[in-house]
Amino acid sequence: SQTIHQWPATLVQPVGSPLSLECTVEGTSNPNLYWYRQAAGRGLQLLFYSVGIGQISSEVPQNLSASRPQDRQFILSSKKLLLSDSGFYLCAWTGGLSSYNSPLHFGNGTRLTVT
Amino acid sequence: ILNVEQSPQSLHVQEGDSTNFTCSFPSSNFYALHWYRWETAKSPEALFVMTLNGDEKKKGRISATLNTKEGYSYLYIKGSQPEDSATYLCASYSGGYQKVTFGTGTKLQVIP
Repeated sequence: SQTIHQWPATLVQPVGSPLSLECTVEGTSNPNLYWYRQAAGRGLQLLFYSVGIGQISSEVPQNLSASRPQDRQFILSSKKLLLSDSGFYLCAWTGGLSSYNSPLHFGNGTRLTVT
Repeated sequence: ILNVEQSPQSLHVQEGDSTNFTCSFPSSNFYALHWYRWETAKSPEALFVMTLNGDEKKKGRISATLNTKEGYSYLYIKGSQPEDSATYLCASYSGGYQKVTFGTGTKLQVIP
């Protein structure tokens, strides 16, 4: 069966520090991968999605970046965190082609607090 | 409609009441509409995947309908129970079969 791992679960970082959140999927190949963020009192905002190794689509121009170095690995990064980067980050995956017919499967999320 | 919008933002109902929420989404270049339930301290879980105009899906006391021509979907909960308390999210695949955009959600609280 497929599983998704996301870590760390919680993170407290000072403003200006770097960030690296990692997500890996097991039990499937060539998944579509997504990073979402929920800021306080707001809905899920799509940050990045990837349909293959090295292929990243960015939805929000800001100080975050994403990379997909391996088929089932998705990394969210920042060189310098801002206070506004605080929030709950969720990684998700779904099948490849015709993935819209399948639901998203989410990791357990990372609660990031930038101080 | 350019974004995915949900209403109401929050809802308080008594146990046993029936309720419904609305999701509006871009109707052009439509691929699919998903509904998710998001309970506190958990990850969102899928309720329904809907792709065809006129689709109706049902799971227990929860059901959903889809109108792709006018760009809306309704989620119905019959006889609400306290365990139905959660945030209900809809997500639209419009403008691309990989790009998934979520609405802001409807937070439901069922009062015993």
